[in-house]
Amino acid sequence: KAGVTQTPRYLIKTRGQQVTLSCSPISGHRSVSWYQQTPGQGLQFLFEYFSETQRNKGNFPGRFSGRQFSNSRSEMNVSTLELGDSALYLCASSFSISGFFTDTQYFGPGTRLTVL
Amino acid sequence: KQEVTQIPAALSVPEGENLVLNCSFTDSAIYNLQWFRQDPGKGLTSLLLIQSSQREQTSGRLNASLDKSSGRSTLYIAASQPGDSATYLCAVTGANSKLTFGKGITLSVRP
Repeated sequence: KAGVTQTPRYLIKTRGQQVTLSCSPISGHRSVSWYQQTPGQGLQFLFEYFSETQRNKGNFPGRFSGRQFSNSRSEMNVSTLELGDSALYLCASSFSISGFFTDTQYFGPGTRLTVL
Repeated sequence: KQEVTQIPAALSVPEGENLVLNCSFTDSAIYNLQWFRQDPGKGLTSLLLIQSSQREQTSGRLNASLDKSSGRSTLYIAASQPGDSATYLCAVTGANSKLTFGKGITLSVRP
């Protein structure tokens, strides 16, 4: 069974630009969640989607948004990029039908975003 | 606000040693606790998931325990190998359904 895939793997942008990251979950998984990982803050939860609906979100500004398509693929968008947005962005998928994070999370390799 | 602490931040042991990695959390109202492994520049691999009603889970050389009342979990690695070198993170799912991660413990197993 193919794992979680994320594209692109690496991205370089400049301040003020916007970026869209993509995540394809494991086949059959309907929950996709996104995380930001930085050396200073560690791993922080951004948001989770289930069946095209945002089910939960973390404490990030509105510049961070996401969506999920009918095939469970998800995209994350960051507008008006800031230097502090440089990070590894990870997505994870799971069955989690009964509730948020009740099942094992399977992570993708991440997208490394550098903002200059 | 849930806080997850993993101390020490780094650990170096000789091959073959049995070791324990600790994780503590401030709010005992959790749904579950997960241990993950992260290799440099890569995503996370789930190692063990312990539901709040469980006390421990085992997978191969790994054993994780959970003591909700004291806000602690331990990951026991038996007969460590150089291939176990990685960063180990624990994460708890709180009553607000949010997932909170510790900063991780970077383990180095010397041949």
